[in-house]
Amino acid sequence: DGGITQSPKYLFRKEGQNVTLSCEQNLNHDAMYWYRQDPGQGLRLIYYSQIVNDFQKGDIAEGYSVSREKKESFPLTVTSAQKNPTAFYLCASSISPGLRNQPQHFGDGTRLSIL
Amino acid sequence: SQQGEEDPQALSIQEGENATMNCSYKTSINNLQWYRQNSGRGLVHLILIRSNEREKHSGRLRVTLDTSKKSSSLLITASRAADTASYFCATDAIVGAGSYQLTFGKGTKLSVIP
Repeated sequence: DGGITQSPKYLFRKEGQNVTLSCEQNLNHDAMYWYRQDPGQGLRLIYYSQIVNDFQKGDIAEGYSVSREKKESFPLTVTSAQKNPTAFYLCASSISPGLRNQPQHFGDGTRLSIL
Repeated sequence: SQQGEEDPQALSIQEGENATMNCSYKTSINNLQWYRQNSGRGLVHLILIRSNEREKHSGRLRVTLDTSKKSSSLLITASRAADTASYFCATDAIVGAGSYQLTFGKGTKLSVIP
């Protein structure tokens, strides 16, 4: 079955440490997205990528970095510069960022906590 | 910034009753989408309604869109305990040449009591 796989499901970060969240899709989608969700809140866009080797900052990119070396993969690194990283992180994909009227497909998220 | 705002924030109903959630937004849209999120899981796309559509159905779901009032509603008929989840509306926005992103509201938390 096609879908989006996020790993790990739970992740713990020590002070001053960078951590990387994995996101892999086998839907052959061009566009991929990273969102942050805080308790009782909606989703806020961190980064998005329209095509391999290209990505753009979203609304809350500070303290995060991404790469898009392969179409299937869009890992997110939470750096030590992100002072409040505790949140639920969701990865999504869509067929093409240039096509409107299409849904996004989501993984099951990674919950990041501070030790 | 979050364009869509759902109302109410939380809703509790008995199984078999209908549930209605509302979404208001601020700027012009091309489409509006509704998603469901079960606790601790990712979002699942439910239905998309285009700006030139007024109503859309999918199974027990009915979505309406009033672009003059910049609002949408999601009706779930004959609710079941399995419908317990958070429901989000999302509107699209232009973010660059030829690309669009979705902006999500804060969601309505629906509890269906058996």
